[in-house]
Amino acid sequence: ETGVTQTPRHLVMGMTNKKSLKCEQHLGHNAMYWYKQSAKKPLELMFVYSLEERVENNSVPSRFSPECPNSSHLFLHLHTLQPEDSALYLCASSQDSWDRASDGYTFGSGTRLTVV
Amino acid sequence: AQSVTQPDIHITVSEGASLELRCNYSYGATPYLFWYVQSPGQGLQLLLKYFSGDTLVQGIKGFEAEFKRSQSSFNLRKPSVHWSDAAEYFCAVGRISNFGNEKLTFGTGTRLTIIP
Repeated sequence: ETGVTQTPRHLVMGMTNKKSLKCEQHLGHNAMYWYKQSAKKPLELMFVYSLEERVENNSVPSRFSPECPNSSHLFLHLHTLQPEDSALYLCASSQDSWDRASDGYTFGSGTRLTVV
Repeated sequence: AQSVTQPDIHITVSEGASLELRCNYSYGATPYLFWYVQSPGQGLQLLLKYFSGDTLVQGIKGFEAEFKRSQSSFNLRKPSVHWSDAAEYFCAVGRISNFGNEKLTFGTGTRLTIIP
């Protein structure tokens, strides 16, 4: 475990379902991120939260809805997804400001999402 | 705007051979530089980082990287690869975002295949 825990590890959902991905960190970080990783595509930054406030939303469709109730938890709520949304969804956390001791981002193991 | 280029999409090397993965960055100031590794279906794990000081940095799993300001490069090296090194490798540059927090920009990754 890296210190960032994502659940579930695998998720299969129909296009009419509603589900949520969960990310939890107890590293004392105050920034959290959602990334989408599709086959043969670069990492896509979806959302950035800093001090529980959303500071970046990279043109993500509204069927993806993030929530950050506190600095340790991050959710991604999913509804009416499309098959092309099937991907590995990665959560990461970091400090807002870095120094030589910082390790950049710490990633979770991801949730493999399949939309059928 | 800052960017990271990994010119090699896929590299194949024999077990026991040396390895060098290329990374070039574009950034106006002294960058924070990182290398991450991703095994199939897993999250990204930090291999090593450069913030300042000695331009040759050592990381985990026997990897090292050298920061060359004149070439805007941060290439990853290993003298003798093992079959377990087969994975995807990502170079990243850190910068200050528009919102004042530190942010990583990732390259597109290099997939490493090891042959016996």
